[in-house]
Amino acid sequence: DAGVIQSPRHEVTEMGQEVTLRCKPISGHNSLFWYRQTMMRGLELLIYFNNNVPIDDSGMPEDRFSAKMPNASFSTLKIQPSEPRDSAVYFCASSQALGGTEAFFGQGTRLTVV
Amino acid sequence: GESVGLHLPTLSVQEGDNSIINCAYSNSASDYFIWYKQESGKGPQFIIDIRSNMDKRQGQRVTVLLNKTVKHLSLQIAATQPGDSAVYFCAEKASGTYKYIFGTGTRLKVLA
Repeated sequence: DAGVIQSPRHEVTEMGQEVTLRCKPISGHNSLFWYRQTMMRGLELLIYFNNNVPIDDSGMPEDRFSAKMPNASFSTLKIQPSEPRDSAVYFCASSQALGGTEAFFGQGTRLTVV
Repeated sequence: GESVGLHLPTLSVQEGDNSIINCAYSNSASDYFIWYKQESGKGPQFIIDIRSNMDKRQGQRVTVLLNKTVKHLSLQIAATQPGDSAVYFCAEKASGTYKYIFGTGTRLKVLA
């Protein structure tokens, strides 16, 4: 298995633009997590899904952020409009079961908003 | 102004020595714990896990110890190698939830 696949690896965008980050979880995994990593706040859980359904989005910073999981093999995290303080590395992770097993992380998308 | 980032504690060890990385977790209701290793430019990578009904678990060159009384977790790496240089995170999951909450991390530097 190729592991969790994220795209793009790097994204540079101007403030105010829409940004869409993409994730393909490991086949057979039914839980998916979006994390954000910054020097200021470390690794923060933004939202997680189980069987394509959002379970907890309390970590989403504000309404500019939204996430979808239209099917078991694809998820998106969208920021609209983007702001410089959104600059971070965004990780997607998946696991076989919701809680109780390890989550496997993708390589991350480094987002820079200028 | 200059932003102030998280201060990552750093552990420096000589190659071949044993390393012990510590983590204090916050929630006494946490029932599952994981250690992750993150190398520069990569995502966190699973090392070892432990459930709250255990106090010790061993893997290949790694051992995790759990002390629920003082809410403390440690990762021991035997015969530390240059490839072990990375940032190590502990993560906890509270019983009844599915959130993995990560600690701030410890940077391990292996000296040749």
